[in-house]
Amino acid sequence: AQSVAQPEDQVNVAEGNPLTVKCTYSVSGNPYLFWYVQYPNRGLQFLLKYITGDNLVKGSYGFEAEFNKSQTSFHLKKPSALVSDSALYFCAVSVSGGSYIPTFGRGTSLIVHP
Amino acid sequence: EAQVTQNPRYLITVTGKKLTVTCSQNMNHEYMSWYRQDPGLGLRQIYYSMNVEVTDKGDVPEGYKVSRKEKRNFPLILESPSPNQTSLYFCASSLGNLGQGSNQPQHFGDGTRLSIL
Repeated sequence: AQSVAQPEDQVNVAEGNPLTVKCTYSVSGNPYLFWYVQYPNRGLQFLLKYITGDNLVKGSYGFEAEFNKSQTSFHLKKPSALVSDSALYFCAVSVSGGSYIPTFGRGTSLIVHP
Repeated sequence: EAQVTQNPRYLITVTGKKLTVTCSQNMNHEYMSWYRQDPGLGLRQIYYSMNVEVTDKGDVPEGYKVSRKEKRNFPLILESPSPNQTSLYFCASSLGNLGQGSNQPQHFGDGTRLSIL
């Protein structure tokens, strides 16, 4: 069985500071990892994904994530947070060659203070 | 514009009254799915479809039905809704077919908020 953990329900950061939203996963096999963002009253929007290759993945809006196989983590990062980054962030995992049922984390609310 | 369209966006109804939430995508995606989002539980998959006439259960299929008669449409049917199906529902689609695995990002609709009294 596959699982995703987002250990923080909420992350608070000041505008201009770096941000990290944490994600750890558990799968049998090689993982495909995704980050999505959800703004109020909207569906999820794809930010970035790790499939294979370079462990540092760059995505939309200046976000990046680092795949760490030994720690089974895929933390989302941004060097300088904006107030407009405030939203709900979801990590998701599926398995290479596996079923089409991705598993989502419970979500982390990011609040960027002016 | 590439999009996934759900209707209605909001619905308040009563227990036992059959309802259908429609979902349509214009990206010629093979894979479509339905999720429900509940506070503290994240997204849970209800049903998915890998192509026309191919559907399968997700993690929480009880009380729901789906059909995939056309590639672009994937309606969610609640034959006899109950209050525990009050939730925020999302339809999603992505590229993908047998052999490609599940490495494609999903495109989500804007959600349907269902309240069942």
